[in-house]
Amino acid sequence: GAVVSQHPSRVICKSGTSVKIECRSLDFQATTMFWYRQFPKKSLMLMATSNEGSKATYEQGVEKDKFLINHASLTLSTLTVTSAHPEDSSFYICSAVGTGSYEQYFGPGTRLTVT
Amino acid sequence: GEDVEQSLFLSVREGDSSVINCTYTDSSSTYLYWYKQEPGAGLQLLTYIFSNMDMKQDQRLTVLLNKKDKHLSLRIADTQTGDSAIYFCAERMNTGNQFYFGTGTSLTVIP
Repeated sequence: GAVVSQHPSRVICKSGTSVKIECRSLDFQATTMFWYRQFPKKSLMLMATSNEGSKATYEQGVEKDKFLINHASLTLSTLTVTSAHPEDSSFYICSAVGTGSYEQYFGPGTRLTVT
Repeated sequence: GEDVEQSLFLSVREGDSSVINCTYTDSSSTYLYWYKQEPGAGLQLLTYIFSNMDMKQDQRLTVLLNKKDKHLSLRIADTQTGDSAIYFCAERMNTGNQFYFGTGTSLTVIP
């Protein structure tokens, strides 16, 4: 089946630094990838939709200058949390939809802790 | 995003059936999904239903969709302790492929 990986799985960074999270579709091409954020014991909040070769579409209330998304190839999207603050600590999950597919495959998530 | 609501908690005894409910507000969704999330893990797709279907059965899982009432349910037959997890419903929008998730239901199976 389709596999989506995320790297790193866990990251701890100091306040004010930037962190990059990678999302890869391992055995299929993903024209669309999504980035979600999940707070403890809460639902997933869609942050942005990332289409290969074009600018990401951000959901209302998500700062695009803070959460930089790049989808440079059909198998890789990156989320960079710039100038991270403790309130950015969260579980970030990406997902990918293959061309012509109706299924969304999720990565295992990245636990970000900002100290 | 869209409003997708679920009850937060459900406890059942091992061997009983579990029914997890979900209500949504946007009728333009194309597919509706159920995902399972175990502690500290990502999401696992359990099953899905196309929006013009009323029911789908997949082994122990039965999905019922009442499009008129915008109500989706997941029934797990013969619930096992390994079914303890958080269950999310999600709707896929007709435009843009965005998925909107429910608030999640934490299922606890009592041995």
